[in-house]
Formats: sequence, C-alpha cells, structure tokens
Amino acid sequence: KAGVTQTPRYLIKTRGQQVTLSCSPISGHRSVSWYQQTPGQGLQFLFEYFSETQRNKGNFPGRFSGRQFSNSRSEMNVSTLELGDSALYLCASSNRGRDTQYFGPGTRLTVL
Amino acid sequence: AQKITQTQPGMFVQEKEAVTLDCTYDTSDQSYGLFWYKQPSSGEMIFLIYQGSYDEQNATEGRYSLNFQKARKSANLVISASQLGDSAMYFCAMREITGFQKLVFGTGTRLLVSP
Repeated sequence: KAGVTQTPRYLIKTRGQQVTLSCSPISGHRSVSWYQQTPGQGLQFLFEYFSETQRNKGNFPGRFSGRQFSNSRSEMNVSTLELGDSALYLCASSNRGRDTQYFGPGTRLTVL
Repeated sequence: AQKITQTQPGMFVQEKEAVTLDCTYDTSDQSYGLFWYKQPSSGEMIFLIYQGSYDEQNATEGRYSLNFQKARKSANLVISASQLGDSAMYFCAMREITGFQKLVFGTGTRLLVSP
C-alpha cells in the first residue's frame, strides 16, 4: 500500500503571497491531520479533517485553512504569508477516528 | 492542558547497546494514547510504538519497547541493540480521548549511534 504523499516537497514563496499544500492519505484512510514543525515552536497541530469535515483545529490564525475532498485528499492553504510561516508542514492520515497516524514526507516551505 | 516533556536534548549510544529515551506527560484525561515517532534527517515522521492508557502490559514492537509507568506519568522508549540507522530525532506524543486525532508532541531527543 502506498504511504501518505505530499506535494510539493519544497516551496519558496515571498511575504504576502499565498500557498496551497496537498496531501493524499493512505488508501482507505478517512482522517487527515496537518502539523507545522519549526525549530522554535516544535511540532504543532493545525487541524484535522474526517469525512470532509473539520473536527479539530489548533491555535493558528485564520490565515491557515484547509479542506478535505470526497476522496479524502486534503489541502491546506496559507494566505498572506509571513516570514514566520517558514516551516516543515506534515500531513498524517489514519483509518478511523482514533487509529495511529501515519505521516507523509512533509512540505518544506520557505518564505522570503 | 496536556503536555509532553522530553528532558534529553541529545543522547549518544554505541552500536549494539540499549538506550532509553525519557518521556513524561501531563493530562487530566483518564483515557489517552501515547506514541513514539522517529524523524530521520529526511523529515518524515515514522511511527514506532503505541501505548494506551488502559493497556496493562508494556507495548513492544521488535527492538522497541515502551516502559509505561502510569502512576509516574512516564512513557520511556527503550531501543535494544542500537543500529547506526537508529540515529535520528525521536518524539514522544500524546492523544487525549477528547482530541480526536490531535497529537501533542514533546520537543524531541536527538539520538546518535556510534560504531
């Protein structure tokens, strides 16, 4: 079975731009979660989607948003990028609501 | 609020030796899950082992075992017979029953395995 895939793997943007990251979960998995990893703040939960509904949201500004499609693929969007948004963005999927999460390779975003 | 504490920023171990990575947690929930993930330099988080709060036996997965002491709120990872490929960051994480799939991570421990 293929693992979680994330595209793109690397991204360079400038302040004020917006960006969309994509995540394809493991086949059959219906839950997709997003995390931000930075050297200063560590790993922080962004949000989780299950069957196209956002079930939980972390403490991030409204510039961070996401959605999930009927095939369970998910996207996250960051608008009006700031330098502090530079991070590794990790996506994780799980089969049911509280199963183990399996992570993708991440998207490394650099904001200049 | 839930919190994970990993007090060892870095650990060194020789190949073939065992190593213990410490993790303590804080939660007011009675039902929760504890996880360990490995993150090599490539960035991907690799699931290693899981322990449920009601599991009476310590979890084991191959060379990985979890030393779960509920009263002390600790969930230490033991890696037996270390290999060079074990060099990586290791993260302890917790999921509360009310948080759906939200994981709260510790700050991680960097493990270096030397020949």
